[in-house]
Amino acid sequence: EDQVTQSPEALRLQEGESSSLNCSYTVSGLRGLFWYRQDPGKGPEFLFTLYSAGEEKEKERLKATLTKKESFLHITAPKPEDSATYLCAVQASSASKIIFGSGTRLSIRP
Amino acid sequence: SAVISQKPSRDICQRGTSLTIQCQVDSQVTMMFWYRQQPGQSLTLIATANQGSEATYESGFVIDKFPISRPNLTFSTLTVSNMSPEDSSIYLCSVNGQDNYGYTFGSGTRLTVV
Repeated sequence: EDQVTQSPEALRLQEGESSSLNCSYTVSGLRGLFWYRQDPGKGPEFLFTLYSAGEEKEKERLKATLTKKESFLHITAPKPEDSATYLCAVQASSASKIIFGSGTRLSIRP
Repeated sequence: SAVISQKPSRDICQRGTSLTIQCQVDSQVTMMFWYRQQPGQSLTLIATANQGSEATYESGFVIDKFPISRPNLTFSTLTVSNMSPEDSSIYLCSVNGQDNYGYTFGSGTRLTVV
C-alpha cells in the first residue's frame, strides 16, 4: 500500500535558524512527489514537484531534494512568514490520485 | 496553472441537512478530486470525478453520503448529505496541473455542523 510519513509533526525555529523537514514514502513506482504549503484556513499552495532520485528544486529559502525513499525540504535562514504547515504528497506511476502525508507544522519565532 | 473557485467558503449547518459545494475551474480538466481535511489533520481523498462517468470513491466514502456531479469539464459539485457534527471539516476540490505545476487546490469550504 502506498504510504507517506512526514516528520517531525511540529517544528519551532528561531528566525534565521536553518533546518530540514522529512518525507518518507513507499509507493509502487513513483510518478511524482509534491511539496505544498498550507496556511490556516486556506487550500494547499503548490511548491515543488520532484520526479526522480537526485533531483533538486529551489524557491527562495526553500530547497527540495529527493532520494528513492525520502524527500527533504530544507529551509535556509527562515523568516516568520515561512510559518505554515508543509505537506508532502506522492503519486504512484499507475495512479491519477495523490496521497498526502500528515504534514509538518512549522513555526518561526522572530 | 488552473485557477479554482470554490463556493461557499464557509457554512454552519444543522444536523440532518445537506450542503452542496461547488467547484469551478477556469480551464477544461479531465479529472477533478474532492478532499476532506478534518481539524488538525491532513488531506484525505473522498473521490475522483470524471466528466461523463460515475465518480470513483475511496474506501470509507460512499455515494449516498457524498454524491458528486460532474456535468462538464470545468465544473463539479460535492454534496454532504444528512450531516452530523462528525462531518465538520474543510472540503477541498483539486485538479491536476500541467507540466510542473502539480495539483491545484481550491481555497476550501469550512463546514461546521451543529
